[in-house]
Amino acid sequence: EAQVTQNPRYLITVTGKKLTVTCSQNMNHEYMSWYRQDPGLGLRQIYYSMNVEVTDKGDVPEGYKVSRKEKRNFPLILESPSPNQTSLYFCASSLSTTPEEKLFFGSGTQLSVL
Amino acid sequence: AQSVTQPDIHITVSEGASLELRCNYSYGATPYLFWYVQSPGQGLQLLLKYFSGDTLVQGIKGFEAEFKRSQSSFNLRKPSVHWSDAAEYFCAASSGAGSYQLTFGKGTKLSVIP
Repeated sequence: EAQVTQNPRYLITVTGKKLTVTCSQNMNHEYMSWYRQDPGLGLRQIYYSMNVEVTDKGDVPEGYKVSRKEKRNFPLILESPSPNQTSLYFCASSLSTTPEEKLFFGSGTQLSVL
Repeated sequence: AQSVTQPDIHITVSEGASLELRCNYSYGATPYLFWYVQSPGQGLQLLLKYFSGDTLVQGIKGFEAEFKRSQSSFNLRKPSVHWSDAAEYFCAASSGAGSYQLTFGKGTKLSVIP
């Protein structure tokens, strides 16, 4: 089944403890992206990747890192999480880098930073 | 700055009634426009998209949207709402040039009364 898989689904951590949220897609998609969703703010893009080893900042990249060492995986790294990074995170992918291609979304990761 | 505005935070309709969700955009040129739906606890799913041509576009689940350049709008409609349509709806836009960056509106939550 074609899908975008995020793990974990829920995560509670403490301030400053490094964490990684994994994202994997099995559709050989070129484009991958991370969003955070906050009440009343909709979805905001954190980082995106056009292909392997090609990443770029979205609208809210501060406090996050990403890597794209292989096509299927696009992990989101929080080196020193803070409470303002408590949010619902979504990974998404699309076949190509053109806007005509629809985004496929993962089921989300609910992160709480205490 | 490029932006997408959804004026209604929450809308409640009766089952069987018609529905219109509003979306306005602010872009230099006509952007690519999308509507996504998010069911509770799920990721986002593409309902429909507009790039050019016929200003009335049909999507999945019986939804349609109309692009109106003069009003900078891309409103989503459904003639008869079903209880399963209760969800949050996001309008999104992309400039279509250069890298693929999608700007989302803040969302409209739809409640359906039996």
